[in-house]
Amino acid sequence: DGGITQSPKYLFRKEGQNVTLSCEQNLNHDAMYWYRQDPGQGLRLIYYSQIVNDFQKGDIAEGYSVSREKKESFPLTVTSAQKNPTAFYLCASGVTFDQPQHFGDGTRLSIL
Amino acid sequence: GQQLNQSPQSMFIQEGEDVSMNCTSSSIFNTWLWYKQDPGEGPVLLIALYKAGELTSNGRLTAQFGITRKDSFLNISASIPSDVGIYFCAGQRSGNYGQNFVFGPGTRLSVLP
Repeated sequence: DGGITQSPKYLFRKEGQNVTLSCEQNLNHDAMYWYRQDPGQGLRLIYYSQIVNDFQKGDIAEGYSVSREKKESFPLTVTSAQKNPTAFYLCASGVTFDQPQHFGDGTRLSIL
Repeated sequence: GQQLNQSPQSMFIQEGEDVSMNCTSSSIFNTWLWYKQDPGEGPVLLIALYKAGELTSNGRLTAQFGITRKDSFLNISASIPSDVGIYFCAGQRSGNYGQNFVFGPGTRLSVLP
């Protein structure tokens, strides 16, 4: 089936560690996005990529890094510089940058 | 950054009632989207609107693209328990704004049996 796969569903991190969240899509979409959602809150854009080998910072990029080496993959690394990383992370993709976004099922990150 | 406002923030309704919610902005948008998010899941696209005045239905859901292009409305008829969730609107601006789609804060819907 075509879709967006985020893994793992739940992730635990010790303080001071970097952790990488996976996002893979087999929809042949050019654009991909990462959002952060805190409890009871809306979506805040971390990074986005309009096309492979290109990405741009969103509203809350500090403490995060991404890569877009392959069209189907857009991994997000939460670095130790992110002081409050506990949140629900959502990956999305779109046919192009100006087309509606479709979301994965999210990864919930918690700090031990 | 650009803000979208959603009203109401939350609502409690009885099963079988109709629901109305809206999304407003001070800027003009070219596209309006409505999503629903179930607890612990990612948002799912419900309806996309591309033209001012457009009225589009998806089952019991009906959404409209406001004439001023600064707002959009979502109605749910004859609510059922599975309508529970958070409803997000998103708007798309034209031009080089970087962040192409802007999301509202959501309306949390609870349906009482």
